[in-house]
Amino acid sequence: EAQVTQNPRYLITVTGKKLTVTCSQNMNHEYMSWYRQDPGLGLRQIYYSMNVEVTDKGDVPEGYKVSRKEKRNFPLILESPSPNQTSLYFCASSSLRDSGNNEQFFGPGTRLTVL
Amino acid sequence: KQEVTQIPAALSVPEGENLVLNCSFTDSAIYNLQWFRQDPGKGLTSLLLIQSSQREQTSGRLNASLDKSSGRSTLYIAASQPGDSATYLCAVRQASGTYKYIFGTGTRLKVLA
Repeated sequence: EAQVTQNPRYLITVTGKKLTVTCSQNMNHEYMSWYRQDPGLGLRQIYYSMNVEVTDKGDVPEGYKVSRKEKRNFPLILESPSPNQTSLYFCASSSLRDSGNNEQFFGPGTRLTVL
Repeated sequence: KQEVTQIPAALSVPEGENLVLNCSFTDSAIYNLQWFRQDPGKGLTSLLLIQSSQREQTSGRLNASLDKSSGRSTLYIAASQPGDSATYLCAVRQASGTYKYIFGTGTRLKVLA
């Protein structure tokens, strides 16, 4: 089954404790992206990647890191989480090869709470 | 800077009614526009994708239109059902050369039985 998976689905942590949220897709998509969703603000793009070793900032990259060492994986790293990073995080992927079929597919989300 | 607006923020309709959801964007230089559905506590499900060169797309009871010159897209839902209750989001991908996506804040739809 074609899908985007994220782990963990729920995470409660404390300020300053480094964490990684994993994202994996099995559709051989070139494009992967991370978003955060906050009430009243909607979804905002954090980082995206056009292919292996190619990443770029979205609208809200501060406090986050990403890497794209393999095509299927795109982990989100919070080196020193703070309470304002408490949010619902989504990973997404899409094809860039087929210009007529480049819809984004989303993972189930990771609810992060930073105390 | 691209801004995407969805009005109204919430909508309640009786079952069976045809309805239109609106999505407006300020910069017409877009690559595509995608409509999503989000159920409470869940991820986003893609509904329709319209390329910048297209005027509309249809899937079952759903029809999405795009008017780039006026910066608007509409999602038409025919014969609404209680199962259509969800939040509907639109997202634009900026024109070729960038891979950024900008989302609207969504319209929360409730279809009453």
